[in-house]
Amino acid sequence: AQRVTQPEKLLSVFKGAPVELKCNYSYSGSPELFWYVQYSRQRLQLLLRHISRESIKGFTADLNKGETSFHLKKPFAQEEDSAMYYCEGDGLTFGKGTMLLVSP
Amino acid sequence: SQTIHQWPATLVQPVGSPLSLECTVEGTSNPNLYWYRQAAGRGLQLLFYSVGIGQISSEVPQNLSASRPQDRQFILSSKKLLLSDSGFYLCAWNWQNTGELFFGEGSRLTVL
Repeated sequence: AQRVTQPEKLLSVFKGAPVELKCNYSYSGSPELFWYVQYSRQRLQLLLRHISRESIKGFTADLNKGETSFHLKKPFAQEEDSAMYYCEGDGLTFGKGTMLLVSP
Repeated sequence: SQTIHQWPATLVQPVGSPLSLECTVEGTSNPNLYWYRQAAGRGLQLLFYSVGIGQISSEVPQNLSASRPQDRQFILSSKKLLLSDSGFYLCAWNWQNTGELFFGEGSRLTVL
C-alpha cells in the first residue's frame, strides 16, 4: 500500500533557526508529492508541490528518489511559520502531520 | 474562480441520530470530490472520494456513507451516529488528473 510517513508529531525551534520537516513515501514509480499547511483558524492549503520546484514563503522541498524522501526545509524559521504541516501523495494519502512551533 | 462551501461548520448530535454534512463546489465542473476526517495525531484520513455523479469509493469501512447526487455536491451521511464518529470532517476537490487539493473550512461534529 502507498504510504506517507511524517515521523515527527511536533517540531519546536527558535526564530531564525533552520527547519526541516521530514516526509518519506513508499510509492512505486514517480509519485506526485505535496506539502500542505494549516495555520491556526485557517483552511488547509497547498504550500508547494514537488513538480514545480519552487520556493514558497522561503520553504523548499526536494524529491529524493534514492531516499524516497520529500523533506520540507527553510533556512531561517519565522514565528508566522508556526502551523500544522502535512505531506501528501497523489491526492489520497496524507502523513499524520507535523506541528511546527517557532518561538521568539 | 472556484470556491468550496461546507456546512454546517459545527454540529452537536446525540448518539443514534442521523447525520448529513454537505459540500458544494462552485466555478468548475466534473471535479473529483473527497471527504477526509482530521484527528490530532492521526492526520487526514481519506473516507470517500468520487470521480463523478453517483460514483463513490470508500477507503475505510465505517458507520458513514457518501453520496454525490449532483456534479458539484458531495454529502456525508450516517443513519445512526456513534460516539466514535466525533471529529473534524473536511471536504476537498481537485480537477481530474491533477493533484492539488482545495479544502473546505471543515465541519466539527460532536456526538454526545
